[in-house]
Amino acid sequence: AQSVAQPEDQVNVAEGNPLTVKCTYSVSGNPYLFWYVQYPNRGLQFLLKYITGDNLVKGSYGFEAEFNKSQTSFHLKKPSALVSDSALYFCAVRDEGGATNKLIFGTGTLLAVQP
Amino acid sequence: DAGITQSPRHKVTETGTPVTLRCHQTENHRYMYWYRQDPGHGLRLIHYSYGVKDTDKGEVSDGYSVSRSKTEDFLLTLESATSSQTSVYFCAISVLDRTEAFFGQGTRLTVV
Repeated sequence: AQSVAQPEDQVNVAEGNPLTVKCTYSVSGNPYLFWYVQYPNRGLQFLLKYITGDNLVKGSYGFEAEFNKSQTSFHLKKPSALVSDSALYFCAVRDEGGATNKLIFGTGTLLAVQP
Repeated sequence: DAGITQSPRHKVTETGTPVTLRCHQTENHRYMYWYRQDPGHGLRLIHYSYGVKDTDKGEVSDGYSVSRSKTEDFLLTLESATSSQTSVYFCAISVLDRTEAFFGQGTRLTVV
């Protein structure tokens, strides 16, 4: 069965430093991968997706993610973190069972950016 | 916000009572979903719909039912609420020519 794993419950980074939030996936076919962000008491906001093509995907708010098929990873990155990036981040993969766009989520990673 | 409205936004209910959460969308998208969010579990799919009167179960459907009598509304019902159903519930929609889902603001349900 397909799944995603986010190995870190929390990532701490100083403002201005680069950040990485890790995600690995398990699927039988070609993955459709997504990153979402959740600010406190808010819904999930779509950041970016990988469907096919260039392994480096650029998204909203200066975030990007690198798809690595050999390592089955889709890590979220940003060159310079902002305090306002502090939030809960979710990696997700599309369920392979039909074209219904159901998503399977990781457990989330809390990003804390210190001033 | 992709025109998604969830109601109520907060609710406290007693064990054993029925509860209905509503998701309303304004853009006539075909696919709608209900997820629950719990610490340590991320979001898990409860039920989804692929059209009026067309629904199917997700990963954690036990204790929940859904209905979709109109394109714009997707209702989630807890027939007899239990404390294990205390959670934050999110509705989402998906646009056919795009693969990502768009989420509502969530409903925080507490069962006491």
